[in-house]
Amino acid sequence: AQSVAQPEDQVNVAEGNPLTVKCTYSVSGNPYLFWYVQYPNRGLQFLLKYITGDNLVKGSYGFEAEFNKSQTSFHLKKPSALVSDSALYFCALKPGFQKLVFGTGTRLLVSP
Amino acid sequence: SAVISQKPSRDICQRGTSLTIQCQVDSQVTMMFWYRQQPGQSLTLIATANQGSEATYESGFVIDKFPISRPNLTFSTLTVSNMSPEDSSIYLCSVMREGYGYTFGSGTRLTVV
Repeated sequence: AQSVAQPEDQVNVAEGNPLTVKCTYSVSGNPYLFWYVQYPNRGLQFLLKYITGDNLVKGSYGFEAEFNKSQTSFHLKKPSALVSDSALYFCALKPGFQKLVFGTGTRLLVSP
Repeated sequence: SAVISQKPSRDICQRGTSLTIQCQVDSQVTMMFWYRQQPGQSLTLIATANQGSEATYESGFVIDKFPISRPNLTFSTLTVSNMSPEDSSIYLCSVMREGYGYTFGSGTRLTVV
């Protein structure tokens, strides 16, 4: 079955420290993977995507994600967290034709 | 990427009534999608809105409950019919453009009382 998992409901990190939000996937064939962020009372904003090519993908707001095929992971990272990065983050997989499957979301809390 | 205007942004409705949510895109798109995000949950795809044909519904969602219109390539509506408190959710529309990926509207926060 095609699925994406975010094992952490919440990640806490101090401002200025590096952050990682985990995502693993299961799919037959090549995965198309995405990260989205949702701020309170807002829709989803696109951060980055992996389709093919370099395993390290750079996206918006200083975020990046590393695609690891052997570990079936696509973890979101940022070298130095900001308080304003506090939000809900969703990993998504496109296993079929034009349809996204979302993870359960991870709440990131960056403390001052 | 496409710019999406979704209305209303929020509403409080009485049970048994219906609410129609509008999604307007600033450019023509082939694929439009409707999602539901229940409180504290992830996003679940309700249906794909196809221009010129009936919407394609996902398992667990039916046309009688969530009728969808797609009169042209820039506009779609989702109606939540005969509402109950269990329908309280955020409803989001999304579009996909080749080369640009998926863009989401700001969502409609629905509370059914």
